[in-house]
Amino acid sequence: ETGVTQSPTHLIKTRGQQVTLRCSSQSGHNTVSWYQQALGQGPQFIFQYYREEENGRGNFPPRFSGLQFPNYSSELNVNALELDDSALYLCASRYGLREYNEQFFGPGTRLTVL
Amino acid sequence: AQKVTQAQTEISVVEKEDVTLDCVYETRDTTYYLFWYKQPPSGELVFLIRRNSFDEQNEISGRYSWNFQKSTSSFNFTITASQVVDSAVYFCALSEVLSGNTPLVFGKGTRLSVIA
Repeated sequence: ETGVTQSPTHLIKTRGQQVTLRCSSQSGHNTVSWYQQALGQGPQFIFQYYREEENGRGNFPPRFSGLQFPNYSSELNVNALELDDSALYLCASRYGLREYNEQFFGPGTRLTVL
Repeated sequence: AQKVTQAQTEISVVEKEDVTLDCVYETRDTTYYLFWYKQPPSGELVFLIRRNSFDEQNEISGRYSWNFQKSTSSFNFTITASQVVDSAVYFCALSEVLSGNTPLVFGKGTRLSVIA
């Protein structure tokens, strides 16, 4: 186990609803990244938070937003859910901004949008 | 633009066979990092190895070995004497450094099934 936890494990929502996913980073890690993994695909970078500020964003619309708290835990919010948002959402934590620092991934939240 | 290609979608082997997972990457950066991750059915990505672009030495860790060849932009992963516990999806990933520590770009993964 990596020490990165995510909640909930599974979630079912309907189109148009909003969802909040949570990630608790490994102790001492101040950077959290979020990835979306559609079925049969590799993870795709959504955004990254470093010391409570967004520090990098992938090709995702503004309805994907996030927060990082003083204890470095993080939330991913998705508004106006679409069917294509159905995926496994992974968060990863590491120390510092350097991408080559080893990242530790959580088990993910599987979101189903009906 | 950076890109990672894992041409093998699924591989099935019998236990104790050797298996090689291919990874080909594209990047304009001269400094970059390559990674391999394992994703068991539980979903969590497990870090296996990181290699920087200046280090072309092959690496062996137990039954795992990696072959990095800049000339062919490949970073292949071999499992020797495969075991059922090796069954998982394996991802190759790339991060460019000079372009500003870009986030990991993953390939689509290779699903490995090891049959007893």
